[in-house]
Parts: sequence; structure tokens; C-alpha cells
Amino acid sequence: AQSVTQLDSHVSVSEGTPVLLRCNYSSSYSPSLFWYVQHPNKGLQLLLKYTSAATLVKGINGFEAEFKKSETSFHLTKPSAHMSDAAEYFCVVSGGGADGLTFGKGTHLIIQP
Amino acid sequence: DGGITQSPKYLFRKEGQNVTLSCEQNLNHDAMYWYRQDPGQGLRLIYYSQIVNDFQKGDIAEGYSVSREKKESFPLTVTSAQKNPTAFYLCASSTQLRGRGNTIYFGEGSWLTVV
Repeated sequence: AQSVTQLDSHVSVSEGTPVLLRCNYSSSYSPSLFWYVQHPNKGLQLLLKYTSAATLVKGINGFEAEFKKSETSFHLTKPSAHMSDAAEYFCVVSGGGADGLTFGKGTHLIIQP
Repeated sequence: DGGITQSPKYLFRKEGQNVTLSCEQNLNHDAMYWYRQDPGQGLRLIYYSQIVNDFQKGDIAEGYSVSREKKESFPLTVTSAQKNPTAFYLCASSTQLRGRGNTIYFGEGSWLTVV
């Protein structure tokens, strides 16, 4: 069975400092993993996805994530936060559910000026 | 540009009234989905469709109905049987229903409020 745990419901960082959003997963096979971002009153936008190629995946807006099979983790990072990064972030693992995906509950990223 | 268009962005429903949310995609995707999102919550699957003229219930289908008469369109009707319909509704699509690497793309969402 698939599951995904976003370890922090809220993360607050200062503008210009690094961002780390943590995601652990459980899967009975080698999964695909995704990060989506949702700004207020907007749909989910794909940031990046891992499908079995390079374990370090680069996405849009300077974000990247590293797939670590031994730790069953797929943490999202960005070297320097920008005010426009303030949003909700969802980690998603393939498998489980009728839609073939299991969504995390989301992490709310707050950027302090 | 290809994408998913949801309308209206904001909709108000009176008690006992059915309302329909529109979803149109021009991505040539076979699979389409409807999700409900409550404030501060994750996504819950309402209905999904793998192909034209076929759709299946998701986790919270009670009080909702859909149709898939055209590949591009997957409207969601919120019926009077849905007792707590106030939420943000997201339509999505993908090239196929499942499969490794299958990526779901989302529309901008629609807010439904009961008045």
C-alpha cells in the first residue's frame, strides 16, 4: 500500500534563506513522486516529478528534490526563498487510490520579510 | 496554450438547488478527475473518468454526479443531496488513468458556497 507523510504542516523561513519541505513515502514498488504547489485560490501546479531517472530532480522556480530510496524520502529544497514562494505544497506518490495517486496533506510555507 | 478551464470561478448555491461546474481541457487527455478541497485540507477524489462515456465514483461521490459525453468535457453537478457542498473544487486531467509517471494537471478551481 502507498502512503505519503509530509512531516511539517507549516514551515516559516525568512526571505533569502533556504527552504526545506520534508516528505516521506511508503510504497510496495518503485514509485513515481511529485511535488505540486498551490497558491491561494488557485489550482495545483506541478513543480517537479521523479520517475526513476536521476535521483536529484530539478523543477521550476529554483526548486529541486532528491529521491532517497534508503530513507524513503523525497524532500523539496530551494537555496533562497522568495516572497512569491509562499503557498501550500503537496507531495504525491504514485499508486494507491482510484486515481493512481496518494496525496500528502500539504505543507504551508510562510515567507517572512 | 493547452490547459484546463474551469468555470465559474465562484458559484453560490441556494438550499435545495442543483448546480453544475464546468471543466474543459484541450490537452487531448483521456482521463479526467474531480477533487474536493476543504480549507486547510488535502484533496479528496469525487469522480474520475478513464475514457469518454465512462466514469467511476471516487472516495466521496455521494451527492455529486458527472457526465463524460465528450473527451474534452467533464462537468460536475452538485446536487441537493450533498449536505455540505461549500468547498473548493478542482478538475484535473492526465494522459491515462494510472501508470508509472502518469502526471495529473489541474485547472484553476471553482469555489462553491451555499447561501
